[in-house]
Amino acid sequence: EVQLLESGGGLVQPGGSLRLSCAASGFVFSGYAMGWVCQAPGKGLEWVSSISDSGTRTHYADSVKGRFTISRDNSRNTLYLQMHSLRAEDTAVFYCAKYQLENYYDRSGYYDLQTLEYWGQGTLVTVSS
Amino acid sequence: AIQLTQSPSSLSASVGDRVTITCRASPGINNALAWYQQKPGKAPKLLIYDASTLQSGVPARFTGSGSGTDFTLTISSLQPEDFATYYCQQFNSHPVLFGGGTKVEIK
Repeated sequence: EVQLLESGGGLVQPGGSLRLSCAASGFVFSGYAMGWVCQAPGKGLEWVSSISDSGTRTHYADSVKGRFTISRDNSRNTLYLQMHSLRAEDTAVFYCAKYQLENYYDRSGYYDLQTLEYWGQGTLVTVSS
Repeated sequence: AIQLTQSPSSLSASVGDRVTITCRASPGINNALAWYQQKPGKAPKLLIYDASTLQSGVPARFTGSGSGTDFTLTISSLQPEDFATYYCQQFNSHPVLFGGGTKVEIK
């Protein structure tokens, strides 16, 4: 059974930093791209970032580029999201998600233009003074 | 960039009703569309991928159709556990986008 367990959320002041973690189990972690999706309170879903199966390629939404860094440790089956320069508008539940296809790259080399098959339960990040 | 418009934003229906939710993409996205169900306080759950393929374990009353610009999610006979918010998602090109959501409420 695929399990994704996020941790690391909490209350942080504007301008502060936070690191989210996602512990994965139930599948061959190193074989799949992973991603983060956020959801502001009462709002819809927003894709944040993705990372390839090997960790060598990453991709960010414009809203977080230069402030957030996605990474993974395949030896620990863990995904990370390091967040800096946090703003009030970053307040959201952050979901870790597993992409559907193993070792997938399309003809253009994109690894993340595919379905998000499994999602964790999310961790709440609140940015407020 | 692709624009993704989901409608309606909410609807009221009764158990046993047939429900249809629409997602429109501009420009077209081939069949690169997924549908997710989200219940309050829970993570989204994949229902349909590649526009019309039912995810394993999802009841057959859920059907996805469409290609190009117009897509639909149909629930053939609404069950009590289907009251939730539904999102479409395009993954044809970046930026990957989710629709605004459709909240299905009890009439």
